[in-house]
Amino acid sequence: DQQVKQNSPSLSVQEGRISILNCDYTNSMFDYFLWYKKYPAEGPTFLISISSIKDKNEDGRFTVFLNKSAKHLSLHIVPSQPGDSAVYFCAASTYANSNSGYALNFGKGTSLLVTP
Amino acid sequence: NAGVMQNPRHLVRRRGQEARLRCSPMKGHSHVYWYRQLPEEGLKFMVYLQKENIIDESGMPKERFSAEFPKEGPSILRIQQVVRGDSAAYFCASSPGAGVYEQYFGPGTRLTVT
Repeated sequence: DQQVKQNSPSLSVQEGRISILNCDYTNSMFDYFLWYKKYPAEGPTFLISISSIKDKNEDGRFTVFLNKSAKHLSLHIVPSQPGDSAVYFCAASTYANSNSGYALNFGKGTSLLVTP
Repeated sequence: NAGVMQNPRHLVRRRGQEARLRCSPMKGHSHVYWYRQLPEEGLKFMVYLQKENIIDESGMPKERFSAEFPKEGPSILRIQQVVRGDSAAYFCASSPGAGVYEQYFGPGTRLTVT
């Protein structure tokens, strides 16, 4: 039962343009959302997170938007750089309301390719 | 400040053998999580531990898998009598707890069962 879905397996963007990665979730109990970046043969690297009490969080070139009514979040990368080429995972958790506490539920990932 | 350390990075086992995967959390982190990633899939939660305690093992297969995080030393994920379906990348993550929700991942152990 996939509760976090990333429906685009891949995305190609030109250097300097905006990359938009999307994520949908089905569990309305999720109250904390995170984005991770992963290179081959390495572990995921934390990028940015957002609590359900906010609708936007920004950190440098990365901005995450949360639309709770649509159960949708997106990661914007502006401007995109070739070094951003990696697999991006969306993850969600139910910190406030759950006996499974801190477990992260991951999507299957979107492979981003930024071309020069 | 060293990150999360996992060893070995690669492990090959024959069917029926035991696999032991080790994880040392980041300095100052007392919460450890194990995840498994099958090919073409996202990471799946397995177990969440604090020192000497299993907090949540809802993602662990009922048989052959166990985890511990002793007072001293690394966390260990143990898989007994491995089967081909256990071949996957196993990632450990840690967090300081106490209201910090981000988890920081190690490089993973790639287990191959032949």
